[in-house]
Order: sequence, then C-alpha cells, then structure tokens
Amino acid sequence: SQTIHQWPATLVQPVGSPLSLECTVEGTSNPNLYWYRQAAGRGLQLLFYSVGIGQISSEVPQNLSASRPQDRQFILSSKKLLLSDSGFYLCAWSPTTTGTVGFFGSGTQLSVL
Amino acid sequence: GDSVTQMEGPVTLSEEAFLTINCTYTATGYPSLFWYVQYPGEGLQLLLKATKADDKGSNKGFEATYRKETTSFHLEKGSVQVSDSAVYFCALSDRGGSARQLTFGSGTQLTVLP
Repeated sequence: SQTIHQWPATLVQPVGSPLSLECTVEGTSNPNLYWYRQAAGRGLQLLFYSVGIGQISSEVPQNLSASRPQDRQFILSSKKLLLSDSGFYLCAWSPTTTGTVGFFGSGTQLSVL
Repeated sequence: GDSVTQMEGPVTLSEEAFLTINCTYTATGYPSLFWYVQYPGEGLQLLLKATKADDKGSNKGFEATYRKETTSFHLEKGSVQVSDSAVYFCALSDRGGSARQLTFGSGTQLTVLP
C-alpha cells in the first residue's frame, strides 16, 4: 500500500533562518507531488506541484522553493524565513493519471518567531 | 470567496447505524466536490469525489451526490462499522478536478461503537 511520510511534525524557527521540510512517498512510482499551506482559519492553498524529477511548478510567488531530487522525494525550502511563512504545511500526492489529490501527509506546523 | 460548511461533531453512532454528515458549499462557477477521511494517526486521504451536478461519488460503502440546486454534498453510509471511526472533511476545488486550490470544511469527528 502507498504511504506518505512528512517531517518534522512541528518546527519553531527564528526569522531569517533557513527551512527544509521533507516528504517521501512509498508504494507508488512517478506520483504527482504537492506542497500546500494552510494559514489559520483558511483553506489549503497549493504552493508547488511536481509531475516528475526536477520538474517544479509554482502556483504563487513567495519566499519558498521546492525541489524533487528523487522520484518519491519532495522538499520544501527557504533560505531566509519570514514571519508570514508561519503556517501548517502539507505534502500530498496523486497518481499521475488522475491529478486529484489522493493522500496527504500528516503536516508540519511551522512557527516563525 | 469559496467556503465549505460541515455539520459540527462529534458524531457517535452504534455499529450498523445509518450515517449522514451534512456539507454545503459556497462557490462561484462549478466547483468539484470531495470528501476526505483522516483515520487516527494518519494523514488525509481522498474518499470520494464528484465533478459536476448530479454526479454521485462512492467508495467503501460511502456515497455523496452533488446537488447544485441546494449547493450540498452530504456524505451517507447505510451501515457504519467500527473501522469507519475517523474525521471526515468536505472540500471543494474551483478549478475542475485539479489540485490547484482546495477549500476544506472544518471536519466532523465520527465515532462508531461496537
């Protein structure tokens, strides 16, 4: 069966520090991978999606970047965090044939202080 | 903007009872509608979806029908099991069936007792 791992679960970082959140998927190959952010009281907003290794599409301009160094690994990064980067980040995946997001990771609560 | 309203929980049922979790939405255009489920200790996973009016999504004995006239997508199951205990989220996407923007309801906790 397919599983998705996301870590860490919580993270407290000072303004200006770097960020690296990692997500890996098991039990499937060539998935579509996604990074979402949920700001307090709002729905999930798509940040990045990837249809293959090295292929990253950005949905909104921001202080973050994403990379996909391996087929089932998706990394969310920042060189210098801003206060506005605080939020709940979710990794997700879907089979390439459907595009509908099937599975989400358990999320990372990021607090930038 | 888009919004999803779910019935508040928690909901507690006995095994084999009938389940309804209400969901209504507000959106411009013709959104796609989804139900996601989160089992204890796991992430969200897609349960079922419907992409146009009068479509019925179904999976694992759960059903939901896209009702444009009442802007609703109520989740139903005829006979729940203990293993159905989870948090259920209604969601919509205003860009067809894509993952571009998902708006979630607040979730409904379901507990099924043996």
